Amino acid sequence: GQNIDQPTEMTATEGAIVQINCTYQTSGFNGLFWYQQHAGEAPTFLSYNVLDGLEEKGRFSSFLSRSKGYSYLLLKELQMKDSASYLCAVKAAPSGAGSYQLTFGKGTKLSVIP
Amino acid sequence: DAGITQSPRYKITETGRQVTLMCHQTWSHSYMFWYRQDLGHGLRLIYYSAAADITDKGEVPDGYVVSRSKTENFPLTLESATRSQTSVYFCASRRTSGSSDTGELFFGEGSRLTVL
Repeated sequence: GQNIDQPTEMTATEGAIVQINCTYQTSGFNGLFWYQQHAGEAPTFLSYNVLDGLEEKGRFSSFLSRSKGYSYLLLKELQMKDSASYLCAVKAAPSGAGSYQLTFGKGTKLSVIP
Repeated sequence: DAGITQSPRYKITETGRQVTLMCHQTWSHSYMFWYRQDLGHGLRLIYYSAAADITDKGEVPDGYVVSRSKTENFPLTLESATRSQTSVYFCASRRTSGSSDTGELFFGEGSRLTVL
């Protein structure tokens, strides 16, 4: 099976930097997504990592270490609108076949305070 | 371009009733998915479909039925609703596998179902 862990809640101050970690255990790993979900809304795509290293996209960056089963999402210059849940999702094909699935972590609720 | 739409957005029903949640996408994506989202559990896959007339179970399929007679539609039916099926249901789609397919999911706005 798959196991994905991320902190349940985090609080950070407006203008600061916050790092949200995600660890996973899975077979057939094929990539990792981060989604943002505001309360009462659908998840929206933030980033995708398939190779080790850092992917930067504006104020958001995502890092992946395949050997460690570890990823983080880094949010810089926090704004109030960044208050949301952040979902880590692992793409894997456990059977080794071409078909793969996304399995989501339980999400990290980030609260940005003034 | 509506993308992917779900209906109804909100539904209250009673235990034992049949409920169907609709999902429609305009992108002609091959893959479609149904997830439920509950506090403490995150998003869990109920059923998915790789193409018209091809469906398969996900992590939590019990009590649900799906069909996919047309590529653009993927309805989810609760044949006899139970209180434990109170949840927010998200439909999602993914483009056909290919060099540009990262596996990114595109989500509908969700259907909030309450079973009394």
